[in-house]
Amino acid sequence: AQTVTQSQPEMSVQEAETVTLSCTYDTSESNYYLFWYKQPPSRQMILVIRQEAYKQQNATENRFSVNFQKAAKSFSLKISDSQLGDTAMYFCAFMKNSGNTPLVFGKGTRLSVIA
Amino acid sequence: NAGVTQTPKFQVLKTGQSMTLQCAQDMNHEYMSWYRQDPGMGLRLIHYSVGAGITDQGEVPNGYNVSRSTTEDFPLRLLSAAPSQTSVYFCASSWAGLAVYEQYFGPGTRLTVT
Repeated sequence: AQTVTQSQPEMSVQEAETVTLSCTYDTSESNYYLFWYKQPPSRQMILVIRQEAYKQQNATENRFSVNFQKAAKSFSLKISDSQLGDTAMYFCAFMKNSGNTPLVFGKGTRLSVIA
Repeated sequence: NAGVTQTPKFQVLKTGQSMTLQCAQDMNHEYMSWYRQDPGMGLRLIHYSVGAGITDQGEVPNGYNVSRSTTEDFPLRLLSAAPSQTSVYFCASSWAGLAVYEQYFGPGTRLTVT
């Protein structure tokens, strides 16, 4: 079974600064996807970024980027130029690349961006 | 497209009552799933379906039933509500065409069992 661990229950960052959220996972699969989801106070789950395990290049989406270390089974999220709207819960998630399969989530990191 | 819709948004039940949480999607997605979110626990999978007529259990299926008679709908039934089922429930759907594996989430249902 796959497990996802987020070791930082809460973090804070000053507006315009950079913050990194950590995620590690355990799996015996060789093909899989990793995701970061954002959940603002509205409760809506929003996909932030996705990484395919077979790709060595780290994914980026505007101010969001990941550091994917496959051998170490690590998948951290870096948020640059933090904005007040980035305040949210962030969930790391794993999915096997074998058709329609469920997401396995970490417990989340609550990020507060401070003005 | 409305995406993934869930009803109701909020519900209060008494212990022992039954109810159905509704989930519908208009994207012709094959895959649908139900998660529950509890403080400090992340989202945990309850049941999922890879197509009409096919369902399977997730991590925390006890006390819940599902069925998938159409591609669009995937209702979650609480047979006899218990306080331990107080949670926020999310429905999600996805279509595994080519490399598209993003799951789209509904807005959630906050359920309180007293």
